[in-house]
Amino acid sequence: NAGVTQTPKFQVLKTGQSMTLQCAQDMNHEYMSWYRQDPGMGLRLIHYSVGAGITDQGEVPNGYNVSRSTTEDFPLRLLSAAPSQTSVYFCASSSRRALINEQFFGPGTRLTVL
Amino acid sequence: RKEVEQDPGPFNVPEGATVAFNCTYSNSASQSFFWYRQDCRKEPKLLMSVYSSGNEDGRFTAQLNRASQYISLLIRDSKLSDSATYLCVPKGGNTGNQFYFGTGTSLTVIP
Repeated sequence: NAGVTQTPKFQVLKTGQSMTLQCAQDMNHEYMSWYRQDPGMGLRLIHYSVGAGITDQGEVPNGYNVSRSTTEDFPLRLLSAAPSQTSVYFCASSSRRALINEQFFGPGTRLTVL
Repeated sequence: RKEVEQDPGPFNVPEGATVAFNCTYSNSASQSFFWYRQDCRKEPKLLMSVYSSGNEDGRFTAQLNRASQYISLLIRDSKLSDSATYLCVPKGGNTGNQFYFGTGTSLTVIP
């Protein structure tokens, strides 16, 4: 199993550009989440999904959209990038069925918005 | 009030030392608890789950006090490879599957 994969690993955008961060998992996990991590702060939840076709907002959803058309994929879209969105983005997945249902993380996408 | 509060650190300890990290959480309905380890610029990885009143895994011992809403992590015989940031993560409660991440405690083990 590849686990949770994310692309790209690094990205530089100009203010106002749009892009999609890709996330995929091959563990058949129901739950998937997007977090951002900024210096001195814990991981903050952006959006999450409890299954295909179901998404919901987390703590910091403004400026981001998500969709979950399949169990495997959970892309995060930045509609109009702003410097405040410069951060490290982590995608994570977990299973509802596992006895110890910890989250598994992807390697992260390091995004800089100029 | 923050969902999770951890020792601010950083902790700088010599090899072989014992070090303990503390964590308090605000959601009394939290049902599962985890300690994650995060190396510099890498993704968090599960160190151990915490269930019942606590558990032990080799040099690592986690304790849970639900009445005080307090979790601790004890590392014995510290190794250089233990240098990392340790994240306290309660899960669940009223919002179900949501994980709450602390800001982490930085540990550096010195030769």
